[in-house]
Amino acid sequence: AQTVTQSQPEMSVQEAETVTLSCTYDTSENNYYLFWYKQPPSRQMILVIRQEAYKQQNATENRFSVNFQKAAKSFSLKISDSQLGDTAMYFCAFMKSTNFGNEKLTFGTGTRLTIIP
Amino acid sequence: DAGVTQSPTHLIKTRGQQVTLRCSPKSGHDTVSWYQQALGQGPQFIFQYYEEEERQRGNFPDRFSGHQFPNYSSELNVNALLLGDSALYLCASSHTGDFPTDTQYFGPGTRLTVL
Repeated sequence: AQTVTQSQPEMSVQEAETVTLSCTYDTSENNYYLFWYKQPPSRQMILVIRQEAYKQQNATENRFSVNFQKAAKSFSLKISDSQLGDTAMYFCAFMKSTNFGNEKLTFGTGTRLTIIP
Repeated sequence: DAGVTQSPTHLIKTRGQQVTLRCSPKSGHDTVSWYQQALGQGPQFIFQYYEEEERQRGNFPDRFSGHQFPNYSSELNVNALLLGDSALYLCASSHTGDFPTDTQYFGPGTRLTVL
């Protein structure tokens, strides 16, 4: 079974600053995917970024980037130039890779991020 | 292009009752997964439907059941409701075969309160 751990229950940062959210996971799988989802107060879970474990290059999406350390089983999210709209719960999630392809997501407990004006 | 939709938005039931939640997947998606998110927690996987069959299931009792229709929409049924079933129920849709990742897209959720 896989587990995902987010050790920072809450974080806050001034607008325009950079913040890094931590995530570690435990698995015996070699092929898998990792995701960061954002859940604002509206409750809708929104995909922020995804990473394929077989890729060494870290994924980036505009102001969002990850630091993927496969050996350490670490997958942190960096938000640059933070904006008020980034205020939300952030969940790290794991999905193993199979021939079927569509597997369940295993989530961490989340980090509540507040951007301060 | 409509995203994932869920109904109802909110629901209040009493212990012992039964409830049905509904989900319409994003256009082009054929797979629906259901998750339960208790207050202050991350979502927990309930089950997944593909080709109108339950393909995989999480650690939830048989009181939780589901269905997928030919148009790929899905229902989640919970019988004999318990206070502990109070949660946000999330539906996620995806298209099986979209390698390398079958990314799941979530609906806005149904907030179920059991009194």
